Amino acid sequence: EVQLVESGGGLVQPGRSLRLSCAASGFTFDDYAMHWVRQAPGKGLEWVSGISWNSGSIGYADSVKGRFTISRDNAKNSLYLQMNSLRAEDTALYYCAKAYCSGGSCYTYFDYWGQGTLVTVSS
Amino acid sequence: QLVLTQSPSASASLGASVKLTCTLSSGHSSYAIAWHQQQPEKGPRYLMKLNSDGSHSKGDGIPDRFSGSSSGAERYLTISSLQSEDEADYYCQTWGTGFHVVFGGGTKLTVL
Repeated sequence: EVQLVESGGGLVQPGRSLRLSCAASGFTFDDYAMHWVRQAPGKGLEWVSGISWNSGSIGYADSVKGRFTISRDNAKNSLYLQMNSLRAEDTALYYCAKAYCSGGSCYTYFDYWGQGTLVTVSS
Repeated sequence: QLVLTQSPSASASLGASVKLTCTLSSGHSSYAIAWHQQQPEKGPRYLMKLNSDGSHSKGDGIPDRFSGSSSGAERYLTISSLQSEDEADYYCQTWGTGFHVVFGGGTKLTVL
């Protein structure tokens, strides 16, 4: 059974940093691209960042580019999101999501999601 | 610009059927999309990938009551024999080259 478990959220002051983690199990982690998607309170889904299986390709939403860094440790089956210079508008539930891959190719849609970790940026 | 448009809300009666619509922006009518369901206070759940020709592949454990279809730039999610647990937000999602990901605004489905 595929499981994605996020952690690391919390209350942080504007301008500070936070590191999110996602522990993956139930699939061969290093075969799949992984992503972070967030949801502000009462709002819709917003893609944040994605990383290929070998970290060779990485992408960010314009809203977080230059402030957030995605990474992964395939030996630990873990995905990370380092969030610096946090702003009030970064307040959201952050989801880890697994990309759909087949025949050696990955597509940028998500076939498994975690339950999310809440980040609140406030003074 | 790649944009997905969804109606903010929909409603249907218990046991009935409902058809939700996701519209691709001009020039993108050949794009595939994915449908995701988000029940209250839960993380999203992948329902299916839907191609422009209407073919679709569903996620693990998704009931036969959920089906997809396409017409031009429109992508549809049909839920038949509505149950109370189908009351949820439904998001469509598509993607461009590289890591270009777009979500629709979501449709809140109320089961009456």
